[in-house]
Amino acid sequence: AQSVTQPDARVTVSEGASLQLRCKYSSSGTPYLFWYVQYPRQGLQLLLKYYSGDPVVQGVNGFEAEFSKSNSSFHLRKASVHWSDSAVYFCVLRVVSGSFNKLTFGAGTRLAVCP
Amino acid sequence: EAAVTQSPRSKVAVTGGKVTLSCHQTNNHDYMYWYRQDTGHGLRLIHYSYVADSTEKGDIPDGYKASRPSQENFSLILELASLSQTAVYFCASSGHQDTQYFGPGTRLLVL
Repeated sequence: AQSVTQPDARVTVSEGASLQLRCKYSSSGTPYLFWYVQYPRQGLQLLLKYYSGDPVVQGVNGFEAEFSKSNSSFHLRKASVHWSDSAVYFCVLRVVSGSFNKLTFGAGTRLAVCP
Repeated sequence: EAAVTQSPRSKVAVTGGKVTLSCHQTNNHDYMYWYRQDTGHGLRLIHYSYVADSTEKGDIPDGYKASRPSQENFSLILELASLSQTAVYFCASSGHQDTQYFGPGTRLLVL
């Protein structure tokens, strides 16, 4: 079975501080991993994706994520957060089933950035 | 950039009534999806489609129907709305084995 676990439901950081949001996955096949962000009352926007190659992938707005096969993890990082980064962040696993592009979502981590 | 629109953006429905949620994409994508999001949870797949005039069941299809009359349009139909179907509904589209692009969501309240 495929699954995604985001162990932190809520994270609060001060503006300018560094950030790490944790994600653990379980996949029987090759994992394709994504981070999406959901701003208040908006749809989901893609931050970054990992298919293969360099385990550190760069995304938009200074975000990056590191894939670790040995730890089954795909943690999201940012060196210095801004108040506008306050949102819900979803770690997502893509499972290839025939020709179907099925996504498995984590429960999300709500990030609050305090001034 | 990919463009997926949904209508209405919010709706209040009565229990037992019929609700239709609409989705339109201009990306020329073959695949379209309907998800629901409950407070504090990730998205769960209701129905999807990979070609016009054909739909497939996702993980939680009970109580929902879907319709794909054209490549651009994908509807989600609640024939008999129930309280438990209060949620935010997201539509998405993608190419084959490609990144999914999401619409802004429809907030449905069933009373």
